[in-house]
Amino acid sequence: GAVVSQHPSWVICKSGTSVKIECRSLDFQATTMFWYRQFPKQSLMLMATSNEGSKATYEQGVEKDKFLINHASLTLSTLTVTSAHPEDSSFYICSARDSVHTEAFFGQGTRLTVV
Amino acid sequence: EDKVVQSPLSLVVHEGDTVTLNCSYEVTNFRSLLWYKQEKKAPTFLFMLTSSGIEKKSGRLSSILDKKELFSILNITATQTGDSAIYLCAVFQGAQKLVFGQGTRLTINP
Repeated sequence: GAVVSQHPSWVICKSGTSVKIECRSLDFQATTMFWYRQFPKQSLMLMATSNEGSKATYEQGVEKDKFLINHASLTLSTLTVTSAHPEDSSFYICSARDSVHTEAFFGQGTRLTVV
Repeated sequence: EDKVVQSPLSLVVHEGDTVTLNCSYEVTNFRSLLWYKQEKKAPTFLFMLTSSGIEKKSGRLSSILDKKELFSILNITATQTGDSAIYLCAVFQGAQKLVFGQGTRLTINP
């Protein structure tokens, strides 16, 4: 299957700082990227969907000013958690798909801990 | 509101048993249903189903979709301890959203 690389795999930051997570499609053009959040022992909660060159579509209840998503190229999307608080600590996963195939492939995920 | 519901939420069986995992959905503009296996980190893709009644098979795993009754099942035969994982069902719908169910935590005991 296609390869999606997410970086960093884990990050610890101080409360009030911002953290950027990158998601790259390595061998295909990702026209659509999805960002999910996963709490322990729970399923993936869709945060937003982004299409290359367009503004992201956020799910209800997700603060767009807090979780900034940029999808400026066909191989890169970034999620920036701004002014992070301890309650933002979670596992964040991206997935990507191209314009032809319906299946989406996942990055390795980023474990964010805000202290 | 779009929703994907998996059952059971948790299942514990012995090695060698056969298991059936269920996924039902209610979404607008259904496009396809996907099954993923999640062990430690990111989910890995198993199957994508778009048509009713056509079984997809990969080794001991198989899956089928019923678009009339809005559900899918994932079967695993002759289970092994390495099959222990969370199995996630997700549905692609018209707005290009991939919505996940809660997952089924499968534990295979030796």
